[in-house]
Amino acid sequence: DAGITQSPRYKITETGRQVTLMCHQTWSHSYMFWYRQDLGHGLRLIYYSAAADITDKGEVPDGYVVSRSKTENFPLTLESATRSQTSVYFCASNPGGIGYEQYFGPGTRLTVT
Amino acid sequence: QQPVQSPQAVILREGEDAVINCSSSKALYSVHWYRQKHGEAPVFLMILLKGGEQKGHEKISASFNEKKQQSSLYLTASQLSYSGTYFCGTVVYNFNKFYFGSGTKLNVKP
Repeated sequence: DAGITQSPRYKITETGRQVTLMCHQTWSHSYMFWYRQDLGHGLRLIYYSAAADITDKGEVPDGYVVSRSKTENFPLTLESATRSQTSVYFCASNPGGIGYEQYFGPGTRLTVT
Repeated sequence: QQPVQSPQAVILREGEDAVINCSSSKALYSVHWYRQKHGEAPVFLMILLKGGEQKGHEKISASFNEKKQQSSLYLTASQLSYSGTYFCGTVVYNFNKFYFGSGTKLNVKP
């Protein structure tokens, strides 16, 4: 049982390039979330999705795009990466939504040079 | 909207107790607690719903004071395995968003 996985685990990219971070869960959870974690800010919600084709903004959505065509996948795209987007990105999922226990993936460390 | 955690860091010896606080300026529906070890993903500890309930998880328990919009996490007789960063997360009433605090780093030494 793989649970929730993220790929790649590490990524280095240049300013201005498009980058897509993948998140895949095998539990058929309806809700999925993307967070970024920076020193001093804890975890901040970028986007979340209540079901396939339903997404909503979180606290820091600017510069990010999400899609969810299948329940199990929730990719996060940085359309034109900036150095301020250097961070650790965590994907999470749960069956109940905001206010329920969240199960986190292992994270992707992204460096934008 | 982000809850405020205190202290920012705690250093303990094995067997000592600690309290981590989480407060919000908004009326809260629930408070969540997570622990994250270095280089790993956050792991859920417990949820407290409005109603002032107290919950426990091993020797880790928490309370939620609805009137003060505050929650406290109690770690008793700390073990080396308790080391990590503890985050509270809050759901504000009538506002379907979830916010994490900035975390409290706990270091338990032998």
